[in-house]
Amino acid sequence: NAGVTQTPKFRVLKTGQSMTLLCAQDMNHEYMYWYRQDPGMGLRLIHYSVGEGTTAKGEVPDGYNVSRLKKQNFLLGLESAAPSQTSVYFCASSPLGLPKETQYFGPGTRLLVL
Amino acid sequence: KQEVTQIPAALSVPEGENLVLNCSFTDSAIYNLQWFRQDPGKGLTSLLLIQSSQREQTSGRLNASLDKSSGRSTLYIAASQPGDSATYLCAVNEDSNYQLIWGAGTKLIIKP
Repeated sequence: NAGVTQTPKFRVLKTGQSMTLLCAQDMNHEYMYWYRQDPGMGLRLIHYSVGEGTTAKGEVPDGYNVSRLKKQNFLLGLESAAPSQTSVYFCASSPLGLPKETQYFGPGTRLLVL
Repeated sequence: KQEVTQIPAALSVPEGENLVLNCSFTDSAIYNLQWFRQDPGKGLTSLLLIQSSQREQTSGRLNASLDKSSGRSTLYIAASQPGDSATYLCAVNEDSNYQLIWGAGTKLIIKP
């Protein structure tokens, strides 16, 4: 049982390049989330999904797109990376929607946009 | 708009001391509050969840309290150990939507 895994662990992009971050969970959770964490700030929700085939915007969705084609996977895409998207990205999942259940987090992806 | 604040941003104490981490929030209409631990290079781990109707929760050497009326929560760590060194974050959930509002965290260092 690997829990929540994220690929890649670290990536350097040039401004304007695109990339996809992959999140996978093997706990059969319905809900999945993408956060970003910046120095001196709390985590901020980018997008989330309440089930396979569904996605919704969080607090800071601009510049990102997501897809949930399979229940176990949640993809975060950057179409044209900007230096402001330099951050640590965390994926999380939970078996029920907040607030009853907690969220299980992946180890994070560190992204540097030059 | 709900804001969550954690002060201090960093704390260093000798091993064996009891310590308190603070979390404050601006809107008392919360549904629950959670404390998480974050280790470098790893994800976040949930430590304690307090429902709005509860005053405290305990897990081992950890005790979290909640005072909704004053907009405050504390995380008490008894008999601190070097392995407790980590960043501790609190987060509040205001209602049944899917967004947690996070504090920036307190980086705790326990000196042997």
